[in-house]
Amino acid sequence: EAGVVQSPRYKIIEKKQPVAFWCNPISGHNTLYWYLQNLGQGPELLIRYENEEAVDDSQLPKDRFSAERLKGVDSTLKIQPAELGDSAVYLCASSASSSYNEQFFGPGTRLTVL
Amino acid sequence: TQLLEQSPQFLSIQEGENLTVYCNSSSVFSSLQWYRQEPGEGPVLLVTVVTGGEVKKLKRLTFQFGDARKDSSLHITAAQPGDTGLYLCAGDGSGNTGKLIFGQGTTLQVKP
Repeated sequence: EAGVVQSPRYKIIEKKQPVAFWCNPISGHNTLYWYLQNLGQGPELLIRYENEEAVDDSQLPKDRFSAERLKGVDSTLKIQPAELGDSAVYLCASSASSSYNEQFFGPGTRLTVL
Repeated sequence: TQLLEQSPQFLSIQEGENLTVYCNSSSVFSSLQWYRQEPGEGPVLLVTVVTGGEVKKLKRLTFQFGDARKDSSLHITAAQPGDTGLYLCAGDGSGNTGKLIFGQGTTLQVKP
């Protein structure tokens, strides 16, 4: 069974530029999460989807961040414009509805904003 | 707001030593998970505990959920260099909200 796929793995951009991250969850997993993780810290939830509906986006900085999961499968997270403080690892995870929210993570995208 | 505090934040030990990582909260969790994350990778689920007082073993790793479901511990016996990584506890909020609360992590380094 394929795991959670994320791309790109690494991205280096200059501040004020836009950037987008893509995630394909495990097949059959209805719930998809985007997290931000700083070095040596725990992941912080940005947004959670149940199928195509964003059910928790309270921690998403909506002035510059946006996300979509149009068909309830893969998802895109966008930052526009990027700021220096956005440098971090962006993790995508998915889970099955029947689990204890046991989450399966992708390898993440390491973003560096110069 | 539910919070999970992990201790210690950093741990550097020699191969063969034992260690315990703690995950504490003032809130009750319906379940609690432990993940391990290696550099450049995403967290990988190790175990889920759901019953107060539950103990689960995974080879040299022993996980315990507190009786009141507010805390948990991870004990590693005879640590090996392959155990090196970031250990994260994550609690499923009461009422199964669908949101995991992550601790800040414990970075473990096991030296050969």
